[in-house]
Amino acid sequence: DAGITQSPRHKVTETGTPVTLRCHQTENHRYMYWYRQDPGHGLRLIHYSYGVKDTDKGEVSDGYSVSRSKTEDFLLTLESATSSQTSVYFCATKGQHRDTQYFGPGTRLTVL
Amino acid sequence: GENVEQHPSTLSVQEGDSAVIKCTYSDSASNYFPWYKQELGKRPQLIIDIRSNVGEKKDQRIAVTLNKTAKHFSLHITETQPEDSAVYFCAGNNDMRFGAGTRLTVKP
Repeated sequence: DAGITQSPRHKVTETGTPVTLRCHQTENHRYMYWYRQDPGHGLRLIHYSYGVKDTDKGEVSDGYSVSRSKTEDFLLTLESATSSQTSVYFCATKGQHRDTQYFGPGTRLTVL
Repeated sequence: GENVEQHPSTLSVQEGDSAVIKCTYSDSASNYFPWYKQELGKRPQLIIDIRSNVGEKKDQRIAVTLNKTAKHFSLHITETQPEDSAVYFCAGNNDMRFGAGTRLTVKP
């Protein structure tokens, strides 16, 4: 599982509150990704990082921001959570000279 | 941007039968095509992948075929077993755009 952890694993919050999800890896992988998974949509890329302080938007980035201040941590922030952001969030990592992504265990977020 | 279409969305087979899932992509620059398996409540995990310089790759009961001209690639599972029941995802755009998934059910 490439030493990837996500925290928290489950969270229930209210509309309008800020939420931060953390992805931590111990593999020194250069690339890190945040996806959301919803029924009928598969996995959709929110943001990704190609190095410390280097990030870019994915397919569904509106309402989300990210930060990567060190190699091992990639944070996903919902500044003001909405019910449409209720989802399962997966972090993934990839080594610099590899093609394969390795996924974390996921975080189930419910916004009431 | 890249589109990845996956079919069918659900597939039910009898144990021992074969299953085939197909994905089409739009980005001609894509050169890496993985397939992931996700069991209920678990994370997606890579089961097989293929690169654009290869037409077919096999690993025991699973195989992937690639047709770059037609821009499609397929997952083949032979001699299916109940433990093959899961959701399968393809990906394109060098692993950043996923298909919507296929829920495979293998009936004993």
